[in-house]
Amino acid sequence: KAGVTQTPRYLIKTRGQQVTLSCSPISGHRSVSWYQQTPGQGLQFLFEYFSETQRNKGNFPGRFSGRQFSNSRSEMNVSTLELGDSALYLCASSPGLAYSYNEQFFGPGTRLTVL
Amino acid sequence: AQKVTQAQTEISVVEKEDVTLDCVYETRDTTYYLFWYKQPPSGELVFLIRRNSFDEQNEISGRYSWNFQKSTSSFNFTITASQVVDSAVYFCALSEAEGYSTLTFGKGTMLLVSP
Repeated sequence: KAGVTQTPRYLIKTRGQQVTLSCSPISGHRSVSWYQQTPGQGLQFLFEYFSETQRNKGNFPGRFSGRQFSNSRSEMNVSTLELGDSALYLCASSPGLAYSYNEQFFGPGTRLTVL
Repeated sequence: AQKVTQAQTEISVVEKEDVTLDCVYETRDTTYYLFWYKQPPSGELVFLIRRNSFDEQNEISGRYSWNFQKSTSSFNFTITASQVVDSAVYFCALSEAEGYSTLTFGKGTMLLVSP
């Protein structure tokens, strides 16, 4: 099975712009989670999507949003970029089954630099 | 609220030394999962081990071993006879029970193994 893919791998933007990152989960997985990794805050949960619905959200401002498509692919969007948004954004996919353990498989990440 | 603490920010050892990475967690859940991930310079998180809260049995996998103690809320990771290839950032993480995928990560411990 192909692993989790994220595009693009690297991105450079300027303050005030917006950005869209993409994640394709493992085939058959219905849950996609997004994490932000920064040197100061570490790895922080952004949100999780399951069957096109956001079912969990971390403590991030509304500038961070996401969506999931019917094929389980997910995008996250950050509007009005700030310097502090520079980070590695990791996507993880899991089966998303209720009442069972759901192991997460991580993609290689998208490194976003905001200038 | 869940919390994971990795008090060791950085550890430097010489090859063949044993090293233990500490992890202390907080949760009000009675059922939860604990994880260790390795993050090499490439950025992708590599899954190492998962433990559920009812399984306190220690585990050994090659040069890796894990010590889970509910009484002290700790889940420590030991690498025996460290190698240069073990150099990476190691994350301890905590997850709620079935049906959810959200991981709460510690800040990570950077392990540097020199020849």
